[in-house]
Amino acid sequence: TQLLEQSPQFLSIQEGENLTVYCNSSSVFSSLQWYRQEPGEGPVLLVTVVTGGEVKKLKRLTFQFGDARKDSSLHITAAQTGDTGLYLCAVRKANNLFFGTGTRLTVIP
Amino acid sequence: GAVVSQHPSWVICKSGTSVKIECRSLDFQATTMFWYRQFPKQSLMLMATSNEGSKATYEQGVEKDKFLINHASLTLSTLTVTSAHPEDSSFYICSARTLTAYNEQFFGPGTRLTVL
Repeated sequence: TQLLEQSPQFLSIQEGENLTVYCNSSSVFSSLQWYRQEPGEGPVLLVTVVTGGEVKKLKRLTFQFGDARKDSSLHITAAQTGDTGLYLCAVRKANNLFFGTGTRLTVIP
Repeated sequence: GAVVSQHPSWVICKSGTSVKIECRSLDFQATTMFWYRQFPKQSLMLMATSNEGSKATYEQGVEKDKFLINHASLTLSTLTVTSAHPEDSSFYICSARTLTAYNEQFFGPGTRLTVL
């Protein structure tokens, strides 16, 4: 059973469009992280959210932690081709970091 | 920022041979290192966690005799895939964490292993 389910699994959109990806779990977490991974590279941390209902913005990316701290969303405004990559949510459990199933985003020029 | 390197970045080997992958923390001391495996178009799956000077703790379903992990120093961990088979072909990524920055985990660039 996956700890974190992400949706959609794949997403292909035109440059300039907006999109939202989701990370869901039945468990409660003290914090949640979002990473982006490009092909052939390790994941890079984008943000950490720690408070229920928290919203963090990173340029065109908006991250929200659910009120109950069980889920999170990532919204990208006016997507660019450079946003293409695998987006992963992750949580810490028993001192280890576990990743979600991932959303593979392709932004078409 | 903290940098983690891996060597080699890619390796091709014959079935039945063993392959060693190195993970180094370049500018910090990593009390804990993690090894992940990622199959094509899938997410990262934690294989094992190692603390410097201690035996690694393996996740359920990961064969400890097949994936040997050594964390002999605060800057180096190695993963040896023994008697590799084609199904071991994957992208292996290490990660490192310091004792003080508990919530910060730094990732290496990964090693692509292809077993023929």
